[in-house]
Amino acid sequence: AQSVAQPEDQVNVAEGNPLTVKCTYSVSGNPYLFWYVQYPNRGLQFLLKYITGDNLVKGSYGFEAEFNKSQTSFHLKKPSALVSDSALYFCAVRSMPVYNQGGKLIFGQGTELSVKP
Amino acid sequence: GAGVSQSPSNKVTEKGKDVELRCDPISGHTALYWYRQSLGQGLEFLIYFQGNSAPDKSGLPSDRFSAERTGGSVSTLTIQRTQQEDSAVYLCASSFLDSYGYTFGSGTRLTVV
Repeated sequence: AQSVAQPEDQVNVAEGNPLTVKCTYSVSGNPYLFWYVQYPNRGLQFLLKYITGDNLVKGSYGFEAEFNKSQTSFHLKKPSALVSDSALYFCAVRSMPVYNQGGKLIFGQGTELSVKP
Repeated sequence: GAGVSQSPSNKVTEKGKDVELRCDPISGHTALYWYRQSLGQGLEFLIYFQGNSAPDKSGLPSDRFSAERTGGSVSTLTIQRTQQEDSAVYLCASSFLDSYGYTFGSGTRLTVV
């Protein structure tokens, strides 16, 4: 069965400092990995994805994530945090899709990122 | 349309009433998903549509929940005899191909009183 773990409910960072939001996964076969962000009272917005290729994936708003197969991790990172990055972040995984058997994403519980000035 | 549209954005209903939630996906997106987000919890998968068929409805919590999709486009999630535990934000997402990430709607916040 597929699963995603985000071990931290909340991450606090000072503006200008680097940030990391952790994610580990379990899936049979090769994983497709995603990060989404949710601002208050808004739907989820896509940040980045890993399908294949380079382990370091760059996405929106200066975020990046590193796929580590041996550690089954896909941590989200940003070199310099902004106050406006404060939001709820979700990691998600799916196995390689098989037609008509769904490509549903399994989401982690979310990590609340708070960036203080 | 330009994005995934969900209606209503907010719905307050009395316990025991039926509700219908609507999702209008991005034009041409063949896959459509419903998720539920309860307060303080992650996203719970409900059902997946490929075209008008639902190959995976494993996440529907009970037989009070049903969904349909017509014309490969609009989908309706129906909750019968609503209970207070049904209160949540119901999110719809669509995608063009299974290998792509989803585009989410803004959700319907359902409150059962």
